[in-house]
Amino acid sequence: GAVVSQHPSWVICKSGTSVKIECRSLDFQATTMFWYRQFPKQSLMLMATSNEGSKATYEQGVEKDKFLINHASLTLSTLTVTSAHPEDSSFYICSARRTGNQPQHFGDGTRLSIL
Amino acid sequence: TQLLEQSPQFLSIQEGENLTVYCNSSSVFSSLQWYRQEPGEGPVLLVTVVTGGEVKKLKRLTFQFGDARKDSSLHITAAQPGDTGLYLCAGARYNQGGKLIFGQGTELSVKP
Repeated sequence: GAVVSQHPSWVICKSGTSVKIECRSLDFQATTMFWYRQFPKQSLMLMATSNEGSKATYEQGVEKDKFLINHASLTLSTLTVTSAHPEDSSFYICSARRTGNQPQHFGDGTRLSIL
Repeated sequence: TQLLEQSPQFLSIQEGENLTVYCNSSSVFSSLQWYRQEPGEGPVLLVTVVTGGEVKKLKRLTFQFGDARKDSSLHITAAQPGDTGLYLCAGARYNQGGKLIFGQGTELSVKP
């Protein structure tokens, strides 16, 4: 199997706080992890690509200082939404991939609500 | 510009009907994946197609990759209420580090 665990699954916090979301590959080593954002009834929008041990590559229009990504090990990547505001409320999903042409396996997402 | 056009975006049918979802692009993909997503959950991989002209079957689901590797289709036979969900196609382009380009998604509702 290829299990990806995402934590927390749901978080509500006040505007101005920072929120950290964890993405773990439980039964395989992931050289690459991806972070997506999804609005209701819409498709996934890639935010950034994270390779273990190196800086994340952000997609155009994504603020790297706002969405901090760390991929410190082959099984863990974190996304920190800094100074979150209501417009940051969304469903955030991570995926992990072994190497090469292996498919991406997705976590169950984190529902972030900023009040 | 949407690199991967998925259609239809919404589909509501009765149990027992057949349906086809299409994903089209002007770009060539090294592989194409189909996912199904339930509300509040992450996408679950259904199939990966990599060879032009490839056809894969998963019970009542048939997936096809176009000969030129620019398009794909998902056909569901005798749809059931349990097939309800968001279906996503996603293509991987060459030399893009494994990044996936997602279609807009098809929201399928199968009524009993």
